[in-house]
Amino acid sequence: DIQMTQSPSTLSASVGDRVTITCRASQNIYHWLAWYQQKPGKAPKFLIYKASSLESGVPSRFSGSGSGTEFTLTISSLQPDDFATYYCQQYDSYPWTFGQGTKVEIK
Amino acid sequence: QLQLQESGPGLVKPSETLSLTCAVSGGSISSGTYYWGWIRQSPGKGLEWIGSIYYSGTTYYNPSLKSRVTISVDTSTNQFSLKLSSVTAADTAVYYCARQPALRLRVQLSPGYFHFWGRGTLVTVSS
Repeated sequence: DIQMTQSPSTLSASVGDRVTITCRASQNIYHWLAWYQQKPGKAPKFLIYKASSLESGVPSRFSGSGSGTEFTLTISSLQPDDFATYYCQQYDSYPWTFGQGTKVEIK
Repeated sequence: QLQLQESGPGLVKPSETLSLTCAVSGGSISSGTYYWGWIRQSPGKGLEWIGSIYYSGTTYYNPSLKSRVTISVDTSTNQFSLKLSSVTAADTAVYYCARQPALRLRVQLSPGYFHFWGRGTLVTVSS
């Protein structure tokens, strides 16, 4: 199985901060990576596919980059609605696997 | 507007079979454009993919659960279902159904990312 490792596990930030979350894959997944946002008690919300393609309706302050084994999710200016847990997921190889999550909390 | 709604018992006894259904509305499960998947999340934990199915019945299962999982599709009712046998407390989780695009990354169509999710249903395994 491809292991997906996110860092950091928890991130404390303030409104307006630029935030970057890293996701590393245990082997080459090209650009077959997605990002999700999850708030407590809610289903994950799909944000980004193919490493850097923004889903329709997702604010442009979210961006993704990377290829191969290292990827990043960046929030250019953190908004109150962005405090949540973020997950990466690879869909290059079966079985599809998720990172363990990064919680973005208020500083 | 697409909606996915999970349903099934919220409490299952150890060693029994967990059965859930996902009702799809606002879109056809028979569309060849999508796979339909199940994901679970144990309390306070991360996300685990369980398995996915195409309208034709082609399935992909997580090897860690494969011996206990059956996913089926009913195109006449626009639903797909999950059965997980011989459950233990470790199977206690919120179970989500989701829609995935069918992608041809290599030779055959396979499930992609989880584009649209149901709200999830908590299943507790306890006697």
